[in-house]
Amino acid sequence: SQQGEEDPQALSIQEGENATMNCSYKTSINNLQWYRQNSGRGLVHLILIRSNEREKHSGRLRVTLDTSKKSSSLLITASRAADTASYFCATAGTGANNLFFGTGTRLTVIP
Amino acid sequence: GAVVSQHPSWVICKSGTSVKIECRSLDFQATTMFWYRQFPKQSLMLMATSNEGSKATYEQGVEKDKFLINHASLTLSTLTVTSAHPEDSSFYICSARDPTGDNEKLFFGSGTQLSVL
Repeated sequence: SQQGEEDPQALSIQEGENATMNCSYKTSINNLQWYRQNSGRGLVHLILIRSNEREKHSGRLRVTLDTSKKSSSLLITASRAADTASYFCATAGTGANNLFFGTGTRLTVIP
Repeated sequence: GAVVSQHPSWVICKSGTSVKIECRSLDFQATTMFWYRQFPKQSLMLMATSNEGSKATYEQGVEKDKFLINHASLTLSTLTVTSAHPEDSSFYICSARDPTGDNEKLFFGSGTQLSVL
């Protein structure tokens, strides 16, 4: 299976704290993407990092990629209650048309 | 950004009946759409890749006669769960890429919660 794994499975923090989620994958990738899913809804794309990039920022999001360790991390700074959701990493293999999703991290931000 | 519309949002049906789920790209043409299945608190599992004008490509273990996919136009793909049974109860999500924009990220429909009684 090309599915990645994320940890922690669940994370609960206080509003204002930072949240870090990790993703590990198995195969060579073209890029790695992070998505957010509110309960019972579809996924929304957050950020994409290419295999030749090591770090990327977008607003309160910071993503790192270590291709030697086949891992990535998503940092959400200054969390808000509205950040409560599940977060998934997804990998696109070289030449692959589809994405394979990780197991997800359920983030709860307590007001 | 691009919008993918999925209907219905939820459906309850009796065992043995068939259910059709529609996935539309509203402001772009999608030659390829993807259908995922998600169980509670689990990840998305790719079921099949829907190709406009040709047969869908199914992932290993997914019954093509059970999950019929039709992609008759550049903006519409349908997934029909035939002779549904309680074990088919799940959250089904479609997605597509916008070929005119960033072709690497996926736009998702809002999902369909199927409950088979």
